[in-house]
Formats: sequence, C-alpha cells, structure tokens
Amino acid sequence: GAGVSQTPSNKVTEKGKYVELRCDPISGHTALYWYRQSLGQGPEFLIYFQGTGAADDSGLPNDRFFAVRPEGSVSTLKIQRTERGDSAVYLCASSPQLGSGELFFGEGSRLTVL
Amino acid sequence: AQSVAQPEDQVNVAEGNPLTVKCTYSVSGNPYLFWYVQYPNRGLQFLLKYITGDNLVKGSYGFEAEFNKSQTSFHLKKPSALVSDSALYFCAVRDDNYGQNFVFGPGTRLSVLP
Repeated sequence: GAGVSQTPSNKVTEKGKYVELRCDPISGHTALYWYRQSLGQGPEFLIYFQGTGAADDSGLPNDRFFAVRPEGSVSTLKIQRTERGDSAVYLCASSPQLGSGELFFGEGSRLTVL
Repeated sequence: AQSVAQPEDQVNVAEGNPLTVKCTYSVSGNPYLFWYVQYPNRGLQFLLKYITGDNLVKGSYGFEAEFNKSQTSFHLKKPSALVSDSALYFCAVRDDNYGQNFVFGPGTRLSVLP
C-alpha cells in the first residue's frame, strides 16, 4: 500500500519475553520515527532515523529497547525482557524530509504484556 | 527542552457552531507547530503546520490555526463544526534548538453534537 505499514497490529506476550515490532515506511521517505502512546496520553518520542542511522535515540526508556533500520527503509523496534509497563501502542511515522513536521503515521502496533 | 500543553481534556460543541481547541507551548528557540487528528482505531493524520510567515495557517478539512508568539499559543479553529470532526486532536512542537524531535501534547477529545 501507499501508507506506513506496521506489523503486527496486535501482540500479546508474557512478561520477560522478547518482542519485535516492524515498520515499513512510505517509499522514498528518509526520516523514520518511533513513538509510544499509552492510554489517554499523547505520543511519546522514542527514536528517529535519518537514513540508516539513529539520529536521536534519547527517548528510549532503557537499554531493553533497541531499534534498527539497516537498509534505510524498514525499521524494527526490539524490546527485550518485556515488562507490564511496556504495554502501549507503538507508533511509527515517516517523513519525506527530516524535521519538516508532516509525519505520516501507521496505525500502530498494540503491545500487551501479561 | 520543548513542551506542549492542551488545557482541555474534552471540548463539546454543537454542530454548526465554531470550535476552538487550545494549545500552548514552551521552547527555547523558534517553534515549529503542528496539529494532528486521530480518529478511532486509526493512525494520526497531519492537519496543518506553522513554520514561519503568516500567523494564520489553513489546513485540511476546513481547519485553521493561529500562531500567537506573545501568548505562546497555537489554537486550532474551525468556523462551523461537523459531527464528523469528532476525534482526538494533538498539538505538537519542534524546538529548532533541540534537533528534529517532535513533542506531542496529551490530546483533546472533541465531541460535536448533532
């Protein structure tokens, strides 16, 4: 499709398990962002990429969280040793130009940690 | 660092009446300001942005917003509300002193009553 695609749309896992969330941005978009949205709150910044490199990962809450974008297109957010507090909707957005502001969001991956 | 406040959790307005959704911000540099809308079970959609220039910016679906530097505000407005405008609205800011990260407000739920 033409939009940002995120998989899986829903993921239920047990505490302590490893999880990967995938984002397929709009073709040609060089900037890619990950946000986390908890119920009743606004999106919280995690990390953004310009091309293959993580330009700013200051929003990652701790070293259990890691993200990659090896070929400058698809990105994977990886969460190790999941905790119940990690439960949220993880949003990916891409943009044709870093900092332009017009972010194109996917529908998110809802993560539930039991 | 930049921050955004949306003082109203909920705004109710009758169909056909004008609507305003409030946003105030704090930055150390120049602000880049944005509004996004989120419909149920959908990703966030870009509505409009202020980067520079005219303080009144027009966006999608008949929405507009006014940048007020002295009041550090960027309120979203529409002259005549539609029931279909009912959604969650997020204000976001980028501080050009702090890279390419966008900070989102907590959101305001708009309900347009028929």
